[in-house]
Amino acid sequence: GEDVEQSLFLSVREGDSSVINCTYTDSSSTYLYWYKQEPGAGLQLLTYIFSNMDMKQDQRLTVLLNKKDKHLSLRIADTQTGDSAIYFCAEVGNFNKFYFGSGTKLNVKP
Amino acid sequence: DGGITQSPKYLFRKEGQNVTLSCEQNLNHDAMYWYRQDPGQGLRLIYYSQIVNDFQKGDIAEGYSVSREKKESFPLTVTSAQKNPTAFYLCASSGQVNQPQHFGDGTRLSIL
Repeated sequence: GEDVEQSLFLSVREGDSSVINCTYTDSSSTYLYWYKQEPGAGLQLLTYIFSNMDMKQDQRLTVLLNKKDKHLSLRIADTQTGDSAIYFCAEVGNFNKFYFGSGTKLNVKP
Repeated sequence: DGGITQSPKYLFRKEGQNVTLSCEQNLNHDAMYWYRQDPGQGLRLIYYSQIVNDFQKGDIAEGYSVSREKKESFPLTVTSAQKNPTAFYLCASSGQVNQPQHFGDGTRLSIL
């Protein structure tokens, strides 16, 4: 099956930018997604990018897609303590099956 | 408000017991999914259903069963054959192909 890789941890100071990286394997994925999970909760859709785009900006979030290298990143500008959570990237396979990375735990220090 | 409701939030299972986790959605979505999440790991697909009265096994279906008798409901039964059921279980739904999956708040299952 598809293999989605993420680094496990990221620690930043409040006010800095955070960059969370993801690599995926299925070059035919039409959409790629970013989700946020707070402790004890479900996954909340943050943003997504269509595969024919290189970049998408949504307020403090910027998604960059390098389709040649199958690399996706999520940049959070002016990171706040409320951004502390686990972030998952996901690619979409057949039958709208989602393949998730293992998640990157973002720790924001005050 | 539209959304996905999972219940209960916490569930305890005794040895040899089957337990059923509830998932209900009022988003009018055709597809529904069950995932298992273990600490420090991503989500693994247990079962999914594209349409009422039809469902398929995911990557880790052994020891689990599902039904899809109504569009709104996709209950998951954790059977006694699942020897390591302690995990966080997430239900999701989606509309058309390539639309995002929307998640419930999860059920945490533990062994007594």
